[in-house]
Amino acid sequence: DVKVTQSSRYLVKRTGEKVFLECVQDMDHENMFWYRQDPGLGLRLIYFSYDVKMKEKGDIPEGYSVSREKKERFSLILESASTNQTSMYLCASSPRQERYGYTFGSGTRLTVV
Amino acid sequence: AQSVSQHNHHVILSEAASLELGCNYSYGGTVNLFWYVQYPGQHLQLLLKYFSGDPLVKGIKGFEAEFIKSKFSFNLRKPSVQWSDTAEYFCAVMPYGGATNKLIFGTGTLLAVQP
Repeated sequence: DVKVTQSSRYLVKRTGEKVFLECVQDMDHENMFWYRQDPGLGLRLIYFSYDVKMKEKGDIPEGYSVSREKKERFSLILESASTNQTSMYLCASSPRQERYGYTFGSGTRLTVV
Repeated sequence: AQSVSQHNHHVILSEAASLELGCNYSYGGTVNLFWYVQYPGQHLQLLLKYFSGDPLVKGIKGFEAEFIKSKFSFNLRKPSVQWSDTAEYFCAVMPYGGATNKLIFGTGTLLAVQP
């Protein structure tokens, strides 16, 4: 069964900490995405990557950065965590062809205290 | 800017009632359309998708959606809901022909089905 795996299901961090969220896919997909999901706001795109070492900003990139050194791994970095970054973070991947949707990971619920 | 609107934020139905969830998008070109579902505590799953051809699309678990191009709509329907359909439903649009297949999501509709 194909999978997108997010390393942590729940995470609690302190304000100001540097936080790494990891995502790995085993489907050889070119595209990978990071979203945050908040009640009443749906899913908002933070960053995406269409190839190794390539990245593009999504709709809400402020306070975040990403890294994609290998095709299967896409990391989201919170440089200095703040309480307004408390959220559910979802990773997804897809093939390059447009006619396919995304495969999502189970999500990481991050709480910043 | 491209956007997706889901006008129903919370819907409460009794079992066996019919369901229709609205979805409208703003984009003038060709789009691919999707409905995703998130059951409590689970990850997002694809319910159905439309790319071309018959505008009435059938998905899993008895769901269907109709693409009406003139109305920029892709409403989700189910004739008779079950308690197990309690979930959050997201409509998503993928503008066709972009460099990367970005999905734009609506804000979601929380469906609660009462037994």
